Amino acid sequence: GAGVSQSPSNKVTEKGKDVELRCDPISGHTALYWYRQSLGQGLEFLIYFQGNSAPDKSGLPSDRFSAERTGGSVSTLTIQRTQQEDSAVYLCASNHREYQETQYFGPGTRLLVL
Amino acid sequence: GENVEQHPSTLSVQEGDSAVIKCTYSDSASNYFPWYKQELGKGPQLIIDIRSNVGEKKDQRIAVTLNKTAKHFSLHITETQPEDSAVYFCAASLTGSQGNLIFGKGTKLSVKP
Repeated sequence: GAGVSQSPSNKVTEKGKDVELRCDPISGHTALYWYRQSLGQGLEFLIYFQGNSAPDKSGLPSDRFSAERTGGSVSTLTIQRTQQEDSAVYLCASNHREYQETQYFGPGTRLLVL
Repeated sequence: GENVEQHPSTLSVQEGDSAVIKCTYSDSASNYFPWYKQELGKGPQLIIDIRSNVGEKKDQRIAVTLNKTAKHFSLHITETQPEDSAVYFCAASLTGSQGNLIFGKGTKLSVKP
């Protein structure tokens, strides 16, 4: 079946502008995660959604970052007033409640802030 | 909180040789350990995982071993092929929690033909 999809695949923006990144999880997956991967680095957890529960925002690096998940499916990560250090690959993953450990990743959005 | 260390950061092997990547974790309560392969321009893909109730798991040319006492786990790739070239990430998490994975910093594996 279809995997996790993310859009756009690439985004170039100017410092100070806002950006929105979208994630479509695998159908039926109740949990959704956002990670950030800086050049040559590992994956940094940002935020976690599980069903209708309040999201775990403990990984968000600043209040310029926010995310929402509408209808328990699609999620949008918003970065306000982008800075050059926000340049990274933003990855989304989802998993099923029954097999909650195994996370399936999308291809990522490559964000470049000029 | 959990911390995962991964070594080496880069690994170069000849085609046909074996490759071993090692990870250590700090939280003894962690009980799920997946390995992901990330090819250039793509998201990480799960290649194998192991839970703390087993010590070893194999899938064709790939195997993972877990030593709970020492809190380390390793990925073994035998008969390496050029298409194995990628960045490999280990991770750890605690099942029954939110399932948030803590990742190592990755190992760039290069398999030379």
